[in-house]
Amino acid sequence: NAGVTQTPKFQVLKTGQSMTLQCAQDMNHNSMYWYRQDPGMGLRLIYYSASEGTTDKGEVPNGYNVSRLNKREFSLRLESAAPSQTSVYFCASSERGQKNQPQHFGDGTRLSIL
Amino acid sequence: EDQVTQSPEALRLQEGESSSLNCSYTVSGLRGLFWYRQDPGKGPEFLFTLYSAGEEKEKERLKATLTKKESFLHITAPKPEDSATYLCAVQASGSQGNLIFGKGTKLSVKP
Repeated sequence: NAGVTQTPKFQVLKTGQSMTLQCAQDMNHNSMYWYRQDPGMGLRLIYYSASEGTTDKGEVPNGYNVSRLNKREFSLRLESAAPSQTSVYFCASSERGQKNQPQHFGDGTRLSIL
Repeated sequence: EDQVTQSPEALRLQEGESSSLNCSYTVSGLRGLFWYRQDPGKGPEFLFTLYSAGEEKEKERLKATLTKKESFLHITAPKPEDSATYLCAVQASGSQGNLIFGKGTKLSVKP
């Protein structure tokens, strides 16, 4: 049982390049989330998907797009990467409709933009 | 504005030296408070959920408590393997499961 799987684990991009971060969960969860983690800032929500077919903006959505491909998969796309997007990106999933269900996280994608 | 503040930012303990980590929160209706552990290079690992003031949860050397304004993570007789960053997060009423995280407390336990 893998839980939440993120690919790639590491990536280096040049400014202006685009890329898609992939996330898949095998826990049959309805809700999925994308966060970024920067030193001294804590985890900040970029986008989330409360259920298959829906997506909503979080605290820091500018410069990103998301796709909820199916119940298992939720991708994050950087259309034109900027150095300010250098960060560690975490995907998480949780059960929806159940009171206070915790989010379960992947091990992150470490992204550097030069 | 919903907010979570953790203190201290860093804590160094000797093995066996008990202590507590603090998480203060301001939220428009608390739906749940979550504690996570994060090891270097890894994602946050879920530890506890607390729902209402007065509630307590325990797991091995860790005990989490909750009041109307803050939560404590008590570490009893810590071991070096307890070294990690501990994150606190709150879920507000009316949210769609979104979490607001504090910046974490980095705990180091020396043998």
